[in-house]
Amino acid sequence: AQRVTQPEKLLSVFKGAPVELKCNYSYSGSPELFWYVQYSRQRLQLLLRHISRESIKGFTADLNKGETSFHLKKPFAQEEDSAMYYCALLTGANNLFFGTGTRLTVIP
Amino acid sequence: NAGVTQTPKFRVLKTGQSMTLLCAQDMNHEYMYWYRQDPGMGLRLIHYSVGEGTTAKGEVPDGYNVSRLKKQNFLLGLESAAPSQTSVYFCASSYSTTGVDEQYFGPGTRLTVT
Repeated sequence: AQRVTQPEKLLSVFKGAPVELKCNYSYSGSPELFWYVQYSRQRLQLLLRHISRESIKGFTADLNKGETSFHLKKPFAQEEDSAMYYCALLTGANNLFFGTGTRLTVIP
Repeated sequence: NAGVTQTPKFRVLKTGQSMTLLCAQDMNHEYMYWYRQDPGMGLRLIHYSVGEGTTAKGEVPDGYNVSRLKKQNFLLGLESAAPSQTSVYFCASSYSTTGVDEQYFGPGTRLTVT
């Protein structure tokens, strides 16, 4: 069975500090992973997906199949990055399986 | 474009009552989904639809039924509400049949069952 683990429910960093939100997965198939973000009073939205190998709002995430991880990183956190972040795994039948989320707070 | 809309935004039900949550999207998306979000548990897929007239079970389908009579609408029904169904319900839609495309989410419906 699939599993997505986000070990940190809460994460606080100071503005300008590096941030890393951890995500580990377990899946028997070929993984396709995503990061979704929910800012305060906004709806859940896609931040980035691993197949695009893109950097969005300064965030990057690399799929490490050996460590079964897809950690989200940003070198310099900004206050506007404060939000709830969800790692998600695409499973068969085009369904997303979400982790439990990490609430990031960037301290000014 | 309104994107994905959900009706109602809030609802309080008594145990045993029934209700229908409506999700509508104006993006001509093929795929639509219903999730529930509970504290500390992330989003869990209830049911989904890969096109008009088709529905399928997700991870937690028990106690819910769905219908997709029109491409733009996806209805979630609770026939006999239970306190365990107190949750925030999110609808989402996506365009591509490959499934790799972004899912667009609605604002959520907060349901309380007393």
